[in-house]
Amino acid sequence: GAVVSQHPSWVICKSGTSVKIECRSLDFQATTMFWYRQFPKQSLMLMATSNEGSKATYEQGVEKDKFLINHASLTLSTLTVTSAHPEDSSFYICSARAGLAGLYEQYFGPGTRLTVT
Amino acid sequence: KNEVEQSPQNLTAQEGEFITINCSYSVGISALHWLQQHPGGGIVSLFMLSSGKKKHGRLIATINIQEKHSSLHITASHPRDSAVYICAVNSMGAQKLVFGQGTRLTINP
Repeated sequence: GAVVSQHPSWVICKSGTSVKIECRSLDFQATTMFWYRQFPKQSLMLMATSNEGSKATYEQGVEKDKFLINHASLTLSTLTVTSAHPEDSSFYICSARAGLAGLYEQYFGPGTRLTVT
Repeated sequence: KNEVEQSPQNLTAQEGEFITINCSYSVGISALHWLQQHPGGGIVSLFMLSSGKKKHGRLIATINIQEKHSSLHITASHPRDSAVYICAVNSMGAQKLVFGQGTRLTINP
C-alpha cells in the first residue's frame, strides 16, 4: 500500500523557537495533503488542507501565520510551527491523497510528537 | 450532536471474542473509513467503504447507506488488536474527513 512518512517522529524545542515537520509520500504523488493535530485521548482535528502548488486552506480557528504550510512538490509538504509555545505541544499527523488512485483514499503518516518546554 | 457517533467508547474483551464496533452518521457521505490507532500514535487505514461489505483477514467492515450505519467486526480477537478504532466519513463531495470520537478496544489474554 501507499506509504507516507513524517520527520521527525518526535521533537522537543524551547518556547519561542520554530519547528518544521516534514510529510512525504514515498511511492505516490500526493496532490492533496492534510495536517491534523491530536491532543491526548481526543480525536484528530483537521488543521489545514494543502494542494500542491497553491496556498493551504486553514480550518476555522487555526492561525495560518503560526502554522505555516508549504506543499512545494507532489511528494512533500511541510508544517512549520512558528514561535512555539507549550500549548502547541501535541501530536501532529499528516495524510496524503493520491490524486489518481481515488478521490477519497487517504494515507496517514506515523505522526510527530512535539513537546515545547 | 456529532455528525459521526461511535459506540461503544470503550470495550474490553477476552482473547478470542468476536468484537463489534458501531458507527452512525447523520450526513450524506461519499465514503466511510475505518482507521486503527495504536498507542504509539500512528494511524493505519483499515477500510474505505461506500457500500456493502469488505473483509481483510480477521476484520470485516459493513455499511448500510440507507440506515447511515457501519460496523467493524473483529473475529478471534487477539491482544495485538488492542487499539483505538476510528470511524471517519467524507461528507458528500468533500475531501476532508469528519471523525468519530474513537472506540478504545482492549483485548485481554
